Amino acid sequence: GESVGLHLPTLSVQEGDNSIINCAYSNSASDYFIWYKQESGKGPQFIIDIRSNMDKRQGQRVTVLLNKTVKHLSLQIAATQPGDSAVYFCAVNGGYNKLIFGAGTRLAVHP
Amino acid sequence: DADVTQTPRNRITKTGKRIMLECSQTKGHDRMYWYRQDPGLGLRLIYYSFDVKDINKGEISDGYSVSRQAQAKFSLSLESAIPNQTALYFCATSDLWGTLNTGELFFGEGSRLTVL
Repeated sequence: GESVGLHLPTLSVQEGDNSIINCAYSNSASDYFIWYKQESGKGPQFIIDIRSNMDKRQGQRVTVLLNKTVKHLSLQIAATQPGDSAVYFCAVNGGYNKLIFGAGTRLAVHP
Repeated sequence: DADVTQTPRNRITKTGKRIMLECSQTKGHDRMYWYRQDPGLGLRLIYYSFDVKDINKGEISDGYSVSRQAQAKFSLSLESAIPNQTALYFCATSDLWGTLNTGELFFGEGSRLTVL
């Protein structure tokens, strides 16, 4: 079955720097990818998604890049702020409205 | 008020006890899910329901059961709790995937369960 892995369990960045969080998936047939943010004590919240017919999608201060050749997904956060500190999960469509989640990367933003 | 409400938010129980976690939603979504979160393992799907008459097992359904009492309510039961079921449990909802062309799940704030 599908598996999703994140490259780093934790990432520390300076406030104002750009952050890049990486994710790898196993099933080359996966067609939908999504990033969630989970703040302490809360449930995950949707950030941005991308379909397999795209290789880049931009939101507000966030960009998701998809490399289907190497089955790699990344989330880029521009000008990282203290409020961006959270755990970030990538998720992949595991079949009909089921998402398979990675283990998460904890982003720590330092002043 | 939260769109997806879970009760209880925290529960400590003993091995062998029956536990029910409840979820209610005001988003009007047909689809509801129960996920389990463990440190370093992300979120794993326990059960999901696409409508009141539809219940499906997820990847880790052993030891759990669910009930979809109404469109807005989806409860998760542990018939005989064991310590390795200690985890953070999330309920989530979504609209019809295909129609909205999105996989966004709306999560509750979680129920932390500790089994001693």
